[in-house]
Amino acid sequence: GESVGLHLPTLSVQEGDNSIINCAYSNSASDYFIWYKQESGKGPQFIIDIRSNMDKRQGQRVTVLLNKTVKHLSLQIAATQPGDSAVYFCAEPGGSNYKLTFGKGTLLTVNP
Amino acid sequence: DAGITQSPRYKITETGRQVTLMCHQTWSHSYMFWYRQDLGHGLRLIYYSAAADITDKGEVPDGYVVSRSKTENFPLTLESATRSQTSVYFCASSPSGTVERPQHFGDGTRLSIL
Repeated sequence: GESVGLHLPTLSVQEGDNSIINCAYSNSASDYFIWYKQESGKGPQFIIDIRSNMDKRQGQRVTVLLNKTVKHLSLQIAATQPGDSAVYFCAEPGGSNYKLTFGKGTLLTVNP
Repeated sequence: DAGITQSPRYKITETGRQVTLMCHQTWSHSYMFWYRQDLGHGLRLIYYSAAADITDKGEVPDGYVVSRSKTENFPLTLESATRSQTSVYFCASSPSGTVERPQHFGDGTRLSIL
């Protein structure tokens, strides 16, 4: 079946460094992708999204890159801060308008 | 801006008991969702609702019942709890049924079934 997965389950970085979180997707027909952040004890929080007609989208300190050729998505966080420590999920449409298929998540730990 | 509120935050119950998880949103969003989150599975959709009195099954609906008599409330009931239903449950809402309108999540209910 179609699925969204992650290359790395954990990522540890030093404060101030840039972080890159990767995601592989298998449904080549997916036309929209979302990144969520989930802090400990909290629900997922929308970070940024990207349509498949774009290769790159930038937000505040975050950039999402989409490589449709290899079906790969990445989230880049600039100047990573301790408050960025969380689990990050990518998600894509799951076959219905309302349905999202979530990846299993990458735990980002920022060391002071 | 209260957003979306889930209660209780933590619940311990026994196998066979009925338990209801509450979800309340203040945005008047049309769509509401229930997910469960388990290690190794990520977030999986249990039920969703497009409007008051309209509900439908998601990916893992067995053992769960929902209702939506008012737009702002979307309770989830486990009629006879089983250990396999031990999980963290998240409610979410969205103004639209399209995934391109971000879903807003509550902070979850951690449910343990003994």
